[in-house]
Amino acid sequence: KNEVEQSPQNLTAQEGEFITINCSYSVGISALHWLQQHPGGGIVSLFMLSSGKKKHGRLIATINIQEKHSSLHITASHPRDSAVYICAVLPYNTDKLIFGTGTRLQVFP
Amino acid sequence: GAGVSQSPSNKVTEKGKDVELRCDPISGHTALYWYRQSLGQGLEFLIYFQGNSAPDKSGLPSDRFSAERTGGSVSTLTIQRTQQEDSAVYLCASSPQGGTSVLYEQYFGPGTRLTVT
Repeated sequence: KNEVEQSPQNLTAQEGEFITINCSYSVGISALHWLQQHPGGGIVSLFMLSSGKKKHGRLIATINIQEKHSSLHITASHPRDSAVYICAVLPYNTDKLIFGTGTRLQVFP
Repeated sequence: GAGVSQSPSNKVTEKGKDVELRCDPISGHTALYWYRQSLGQGLEFLIYFQGNSAPDKSGLPSDRFSAERTGGSVSTLTIQRTQQEDSAVYLCASSPQGGTSVLYEQYFGPGTRLTVT
């Protein structure tokens, strides 16, 4: 069993829809990252959080430390949001991120 | 300012050859990470440098892999006697501060796509 699991693996949506991507992990962590990887391969860090909720534009990330679960929400989705979204956790007392396998999102006009 | 840069962007090599991949982190970033992303797989941690401390090499898959960071800046990942399973995208990231600090995000380079034929 992977230490970081994401769901769904693939997601398609119509422009304007509300998107939720989930991440569950099995280890104690000091931080969780959400990353975005575009088709060209470049990776951008979207959020890094250790508690609560963060918002940036149309993106919202939440984390529940007790339940070892995080969600990434995209409001009013747009075709340019099409990418792979990757959850990564930083376990306690390590310097090594553990990555989920990603969620491939396609938003159609 | 300039982001993390990597070179080459693509590298095709024959099985058994050695390759060197280069990473230029963002100026002033003390932490530098190497990751590997194999086709259809998730990202995999390889090695981590933090300042002048000894690197964390625990993610290197075999002793054919090594990395160094000169002067606390540029890093080179070397793969000796390449094998076909080494084919992947190798990503470098840097951070103002690494490790257990929760305050600093990582900035990724564009990656080097390595193909071993």
